[in-house]
Amino acid sequence: GNSVTQMEGPVTLSEEAFLTINCTYTATGYPSLFWYVQYPGEGLQLLLKATKADDKGSNKGFEATYRKETTSFHLEKGSVQVSDSAVYFCALSKNTGTASKLTFGTGTRLQVTL
Amino acid sequence: NAGVTQTPKFQVLKTGQSMTLQCAQDMNHEYMSWYRQDPGMGLRLIHYSVGAGITDQGEVPNGYNVSRSTTEDFPLRLLSAAPSQTSVYFCASSPPNTGELFFGEGSRLTVL
Repeated sequence: GNSVTQMEGPVTLSEEAFLTINCTYTATGYPSLFWYVQYPGEGLQLLLKATKADDKGSNKGFEATYRKETTSFHLEKGSVQVSDSAVYFCALSKNTGTASKLTFGTGTRLQVTL
Repeated sequence: NAGVTQTPKFQVLKTGQSMTLQCAQDMNHEYMSWYRQDPGMGLRLIHYSVGAGITDQGEVPNGYNVSRSTTEDFPLRLLSAAPSQTSVYFCASSPPNTGELFFGEGSRLTVL
């Protein structure tokens, strides 16, 4: 079956530090890959996505590249801010028929300090 | 800009009680789903629906029922609550074949 593995958290960084959150996946075929973010007390919201190999998704200074050869979709940001403190979820979708069932990783908590 | 609305936000139940978590969306999305979020487990799919009158089971459906009589509403029913159902529940909707889920703010349920 499909699965997503994320690096364990929490990740604690100082403001302006470089961020990498690792994500690898197991799936047959060519899934779409996503990063969702959950700010404290809120539901998840889409951060970025990539639908085919070598695509790069980007949003709000975050980037992730769909690497089929390494089955990875690592999230990066060059300079984090305190407002980036949240839980980040990697996910994949096989888009069976008209469904959009996502398989999520366990989430990685990011804490950014001044 | 209502989006996906869940009620209640917090609920405490005793073992064996029943309740319904409500979910409504105003984006005319055909696809709706319920997830539960547990520490160290990420989000797991409970039930989903691809349109009015159509529902199907997800990864962890036992102990939950759903129905979809309208495009807008997708309630989740717990018939006999158990402590293992203590969790945060999220409803989500999606346009077809995008993978982009729009989540509600969540409902925190505690079963004593």
